[in-house]
Amino acid sequence: AQRVTQPEKLLSVFKGAPVELKCNYSYSGSPELFWYVQYSRQRLQLLLRHISRESIKGFTADLNKGETSFHLKKPFAQEEDSAMYYCALSWTGANNLFFGTGTRLTVIP
Amino acid sequence: DAGVTQSPTHLIKTRGQHVTLRCSPISGHKSVSWYQQVLGQGPQFIFQYYEKEERGRGNFPDRFSARQFPNYSSELNVNALLLGDSALYLCASSLEWESHNEQFFGPGTRLTVL
Repeated sequence: AQRVTQPEKLLSVFKGAPVELKCNYSYSGSPELFWYVQYSRQRLQLLLRHISRESIKGFTADLNKGETSFHLKKPFAQEEDSAMYYCALSWTGANNLFFGTGTRLTVIP
Repeated sequence: DAGVTQSPTHLIKTRGQHVTLRCSPISGHKSVSWYQQVLGQGPQFIFQYYEKEERGRGNFPDRFSARQFPNYSSELNVNALLLGDSALYLCASSLEWESHNEQFFGPGTRLTVL
């Protein structure tokens, strides 16, 4: 069965500090991993996905199949990064997403 | 385009009642998915519909049902409501049904069961 674990419910960092939001997954096949973000009073939206290997708003995430992880990283946090972040998993041939419980990131000015 | 729209915004029901939630996808999107988000948890997959056919179903009881119409809009129905059905119900649409298609979420319908 598939599972997505985000061990930190809350994470606070100072502006300009590096930030890493952890995500571990469990899935027996070939997963597709995503990070979704929800800013205050906004809709849930896609931040990035591992297949595109792109950097969005300075965030990157590398799929580590050996450690079954997909951690989200940014070298210098900004106040506007404060939001709820969800890691999600899908797989080839499906479109439903399995979400983790989310991490609320607060960037302290 | 206003994006994915959902109605109503909020809803209060009592136990045992029935509820219908509605979703209109982004123009041109053929796939609609429904998620339940309980407070403090991530969204949990309920259904996916594509071209009016059910393509996926999560681990929810038969009290939950859905359908998709020819214009690709969708309804989620929940019968015999329980207190535990209180949640934010999210609808998401995508162009096609495969996983590489980005899902665009609506604002959600907040259901409270008393």
